[in-house]
Amino acid sequence: AQKITQTQPGMFVQEKEAVTLDCTYDTSDQSYGLFWYKQPSSGEMIFLIYQGSYDEQNATEGRYSLNFQKARKSANLVISASQLGDSAMYFCAMRPTWGAGTASKLTFGTGTRLQVTL
Amino acid sequence: DGGITQSPKYLFRKEGQNVTLSCEQNLNHDAMYWYRQDPGQGLRLIYYSQIVNDFQKGDIAEGYSVSREKKESFPLTVTSAQKNPTAFYLCASSHRGSDYEQYFGPGTRLTVT
Repeated sequence: AQKITQTQPGMFVQEKEAVTLDCTYDTSDQSYGLFWYKQPSSGEMIFLIYQGSYDEQNATEGRYSLNFQKARKSANLVISASQLGDSAMYFCAMRPTWGAGTASKLTFGTGTRLQVTL
Repeated sequence: DGGITQSPKYLFRKEGQNVTLSCEQNLNHDAMYWYRQDPGQGLRLIYYSQIVNDFQKGDIAEGYSVSREKKESFPLTVTSAQKNPTAFYLCASSHRGSDYEQYFGPGTRLTVT
């Protein structure tokens, strides 16, 4: 079984500042993938960034980077230079990368609501 | 433009009625998924399908049914057996293989009274 924990129900950050959203996970799988999604108030889930458990470098996508610490089982999302449009819910998710029956099952955390202020 | 469409955006039904939520994708993805989201919670997997004419139960399949007769379409039926059907329903699709991200549709908000 897999579990994702996001301990920050809400975060505030000033425009142009960086912010870190926490994510810890628990799994017995040796190989897995970690994902971050953004959910604006419209409801659609937007994929942000992916990290494979065997990737040696932390993933980056524009202003998003993933601080992956495998030994601590954490996969924190860092947003640099926050913008007003970054205000949304952010979800961390994971799934194993082996096993035909389980490979598709994404397990989500409960999310962090980020509010960017002027 | 390629993407996933879900219709309608808002759906209202009386208790005891079955209701079918539509999900269509033109991304040429093999795999499709249905998730449920309740207020203040993350997404929970209802059903998923890796190929046409095949699907598997997710974590909360009771009270739901699906079909996958076409690659592009994966409708979800919320039956009267589902005890708490009011929720936000999200459909997703992806290439097969767990390294690929899932792309989501805009969601359908179902209210049952």
